[in-house]
Amino acid sequence: QQQVKQSPQSLIVQKGGISIINCAYENTAFDYFPWYQQFPGKGPALLIAIRPDVSEKKEGRFTISFNKSAKQFSLHIMDSQPGDSATYFCAASIQTGANNLFFGTGTRLTVIP
Amino acid sequence: KAGVTQTPRYLIKTRGQQVTLSCSPISGHRSVSWYQQTPGQGLQFLFEYFSETQRNKGNFPGRFSGRQFSNSRSEMNVSTLELGDSALYLCASSLAGEFLHFGNGTRLTVT
Repeated sequence: QQQVKQSPQSLIVQKGGISIINCAYENTAFDYFPWYQQFPGKGPALLIAIRPDVSEKKEGRFTISFNKSAKQFSLHIMDSQPGDSATYFCAASIQTGANNLFFGTGTRLTVIP
Repeated sequence: KAGVTQTPRYLIKTRGQQVTLSCSPISGHRSVSWYQQTPGQGLQFLFEYFSETQRNKGNFPGRFSGRQFSNSRSEMNVSTLELGDSALYLCASSLAGEFLHFGNGTRLTVT
């Protein structure tokens, strides 16, 4: 049973456009929601993370939007660049600091010039 | 500061054999976690070690085991390998739990 559902599976965006990846969860005990970026041949790298007491967090071109009542969160990549082409994973954990992360299935983003 | 180092990068084993994977965390990090990544199941948590003690365990059979040494280095062992164990095994370290730093993984192929 997938604890975190992620969509879309793949995404193609023009350079300069906005990339949007959505995730949903059922377990209301989740209290930490990170996003990871993974390039081929590399391990996932933490991009940005949010906790349920905040509805939005922005770091550079990356923004997480969090809707606690809908149990959904999303990643927005503004001004998408070819270098952003990678696989993105959302994740959730039950207690902050816990390393038992439940990952979404991933979104393969391709940014075309 | 050096990142998380995993060795070897690639391994080919035969069904029924056992394998040991190694992970050196970032200096100063005491928590080490292991994840299995496959195209079908995605990233799944195996276990976490903190100060040489297993602190958390995922839903994997007992053939999967691990340990952590006093210098925080960790090893993961899989016994009686099955074809389905073919995967990328990722190690991640952290200071106390948050902000996992992943290594580049060990690609295990079971034939």
